[in-house]
Amino acid sequence: DIVMTQSPDSLAVSLGERATINCKSSQSLLYSSNHKNYLAWYQRKAGQPPKLLIYWASTRESGVPDRFSGSGSGTDFTLTISSLQAEDVAVYYCQQYYGSPPITFGQGTRLEIK
Amino acid sequence: QLQLQESGPGLVKPSETLSLTCTVSGGSISSSSHFWGWIRQPPGKGLEWIGSIFYGGHTYYNESLKSRVTLSVDTFNNHFSLNLRSVAAADTAVYHCARHHVGYVSGSYRLYFLDNWGPGTVVAVSS
Repeated sequence: DIVMTQSPDSLAVSLGERATINCKSSQSLLYSSNHKNYLAWYQRKAGQPPKLLIYWASTRESGVPDRFSGSGSGTDFTLTISSLQAEDVAVYYCQQYYGSPPITFGQGTRLEIK
Repeated sequence: QLQLQESGPGLVKPSETLSLTCTVSGGSISSSSHFWGWIRQPPGKGLEWIGSIFYGGHTYYNESLKSRVTLSVDTFNNHFSLNLRSVAAADTAVYHCARHHVGYVSGSYRLYFLDNWGPGTVVAVSS
């Protein structure tokens, strides 16, 4: 199975500042035939289910604010929140679907306000 | 608007079977573009995919749980179900159902991302 490793495990960022979360896969998630990276990002707020933010590594889900962006290719990916808002406090997960089944998730990164 | 809702007992005894149902509303479970999955999160741990099912009955299971898991689908009542046998304390978790986007590549389905999740239900395994 493909192992997903996120860094850092937690971070604290000031309101209005940039937050960056990294995700590394144990093998490439880039499918050569369609040039797509099989990676998604989720946001999980306390007491709520995960919410899809980004898929195909950089495609924003409908309704997701444009301060959220995904980048990267191959084995290294980044979720960036350009200007942190109070409502962005959550745990963020990456998920690969290149090797599916199974799909696998990163361990999560907890984002707090500094 | 698509909604998913898990239901089932919140407490299961060790060695017994955990049974959960996910009811889908606001859309049909008989979609050719989606699978329907179960994901769990034990306390203090990460998300673990359990398995997913197509409305026609095709299933994929996590190899680590495959010997204990059965998924089923009821298209008439628009719901799908999870049975996890011989449970132990390690099966204590929040259980979510969710909708998968899928692709069909080289004659088989590929599970993609999950775009709709149920709120989750807490299941504790304890005597």
